[in-house]
Amino acid sequence: EVQLVQSGAEVKKPGESLKISCKGSGYNFASYWIGWVRQMPGKGLEWMGIIYPSDSDTKYSPSFQGQVTISADESVNTAYLQWSSLKASDTAMYYCARRRGSADYWGQGTLVTVSS
Amino acid sequence: DIVMTQTPLSLSVTPGQPASISCKSSQSLLHSDGKTYLYWYLQKSGQSPQLLIYEVSNRFSGVPDRFSGSGSGTDFTLKISRVEAEDVGVYYCMQSIQLPPGTFGQGTKVEIK
Repeated sequence: EVQLVQSGAEVKKPGESLKISCKGSGYNFASYWIGWVRQMPGKGLEWMGIIYPSDSDTKYSPSFQGQVTISADESVNTAYLQWSSLKASDTAMYYCARRRGSADYWGQGTLVTVSS
Repeated sequence: DIVMTQTPLSLSVTPGQPASISCKSSQSLLHSDGKTYLYWYLQKSGQSPQLLIYEVSNRFSGVPDRFSGSGSGTDFTLKISRVEAEDVGVYYCMQSIQLPPGTFGQGTKVEIK
């Protein structure tokens, strides 16, 4: 069974750093792109970027380039999304999803709250 | 960037009645490989999105056959032949012909009358 399990909810202050994770199982993790999606409160879905774990080829949506870093560790079947300096506007639910054309399997989401 | 435009943005449907959602892209989603990279998702309240339809008209594993997708080029439609209570949520179309890494429509909220 394909599963993507994300790390738990986070509450951070503006300016703090954060790294959230997405662990895949039940398939060959290295052979599928993993993407990250942002959903701000009450809003729609936005692709942030995708990574191919076997060679770490990473593509960012223009809106997120330079704002976040996407990485992956094939040895532990895990993809990451990180911020070096959070802003209140980063408050959102973040989903990872397996990509090959479609996004067929999704993680359960990680809620990130940034508040002073 | 390819812009995906869904209509309507909300829909109230009587159980057992059909429903239809339109999605238009600002550029053709037909790739030179012959595939059209248009997908439909449903996000139920408090849940992750789930894939319903891939490449315009193919139902994903486990998706009931009351869901169907059609269209070509830039115009696409998701139809629910007989809406059930469990179909409520927000429906999104998505294109992945243009990377990185694709774009979603604004979403269509479906509720039951």
